[in-house]
Amino acid sequence: GENVEQHPSTLSVQEGDSAVIKCTYSDSASNYFPWYKQELGKRPQLIIDIRSNVGEKKDQRIAVTLNKTAKHFSLHITETQPEDSAVYFCAASMGNFNKFYFGSGTKLNVKP
Amino acid sequence: GAVVSQHPSWVICKSGTSVKIECRSLDFQATTMFWYRQFPKQSLMLMATSNEGSKATYEQGVEKDKFLINHASLTLSTLTVTSAHPEDSSFYICSAPGTSGSEQYFGPGTRLTVT
Repeated sequence: GENVEQHPSTLSVQEGDSAVIKCTYSDSASNYFPWYKQELGKRPQLIIDIRSNVGEKKDQRIAVTLNKTAKHFSLHITETQPEDSAVYFCAASMGNFNKFYFGSGTKLNVKP
Repeated sequence: GAVVSQHPSWVICKSGTSVKIECRSLDFQATTMFWYRQFPKQSLMLMATSNEGSKATYEQGVEKDKFLINHASLTLSTLTVTSAHPEDSSFYICSAPGTSGSEQYFGPGTRLTVT
């Protein structure tokens, strides 16, 4: 089955700096890669996603890149703010109502 | 649109009793729903795939006789934790795929504490 690895497990940045979180996946059949932000005790919230036919996607301060050949994808947050502090999860799926395989999570701490 | 609800949001039960958690898609139909368990400071671990009109598919290592799943309708799936023990204490979250089949919409989660 699919195996998703995520790094780093914790990331501390200064407000205004950029943050990068990386994930790798093992199954080349995976074609949908979402990123979720989860605050303590709450549901995961989708922040951005990318499909395998696209190499990069951007939404304001957030961007995701995908390298299908290397089987890795990354989340980039620019101009970080204290409210970006949360746990971020990447996931991989084959789409078509299939299950998600989640990474282990990254705790991002943005220091004011 | 695409709202998923869960009930209850939290529950405390005694060891040996059973607890039922409901997951509902409020404004769309879901023939498939997923149940996850999340321990503190850990990732979401898929427990099972709930299928309307057929048996659930359980992930390796998940006891199907302990975690009973029933997908009663196109908008409701239930997870029953039978003979609960303190080690079953966790955050249980359900999700349902959207109409495209790619994105998933998550419920708010249920915090289960077994004393």
